[in-house]
Amino acid sequence: EPEVTQTPSHQVTQMGQEVILRCVPISNHLYFYWYRQILGQKVEFLVSFYNNEISEKSEIFDDQFSVERPDGSNFTLKIRSTKLEDSAMYFCASSEVYGIGNQPQHFGDGTRLSIL
Amino acid sequence: SQQGEEDPQALSIQEGENATMNCSYKTSINNLQWYRQNSGRGLVHLILIRSNEREKHSGRLRVTLDTSKKSSSLLITASRAADTASYFCATYLGPGGTSYGKLTFGQGTILTVHP
Repeated sequence: EPEVTQTPSHQVTQMGQEVILRCVPISNHLYFYWYRQILGQKVEFLVSFYNNEISEKSEIFDDQFSVERPDGSNFTLKIRSTKLEDSAMYFCASSEVYGIGNQPQHFGDGTRLSIL
Repeated sequence: SQQGEEDPQALSIQEGENATMNCSYKTSINNLQWYRQNSGRGLVHLILIRSNEREKHSGRLRVTLDTSKKSSSLLITASRAADTASYFCATYLGPGGTSYGKLTFGQGTILTVHP
């Protein structure tokens, strides 16, 4: 069964450094998402992306965050200047159909981001 | 206000027993989805129930939705040790407004099934 793959599985970065989290969505999916889960807390929506532009973003997704689909297969999340509070598990997801949301979102196994 | 709150927070049962988890939410929704998360893994979609549906089955899973009470329940029948995981409800508000694909997750229920 097709999977969403995320790399790396664990990223350790010094505060203030830039980090790029990478995702390969399922190949025929058109809609892409990033969520994060701070340890012990809820999974939180960050951003959705369709047709090479952001469709929706949360208040968490400030100017320090950006997303890109640099080629036909990768979807990346960049954090420009990391803060301690960015430490979390970051999940990428993709789905076939957007809008009415009547298709499930398929999640990767996540990247654990640790900011020192 | 919190959208998507599950109870109980933790549930411990014996193999073969049924497990029931509940989810409440605050606003009108387009659909409600249940996901499972095994330790250290991503979320796996289990079942989606639309706002005009009241009950849905998938294998050993049964989901109900009561939009008047803004609540849903997930029943796992004849549980197995392999069902041990965290279970989350997630609401989708629908297209338009401020929601385009965004899922809002609850805190989750940690289910432990003892062999």
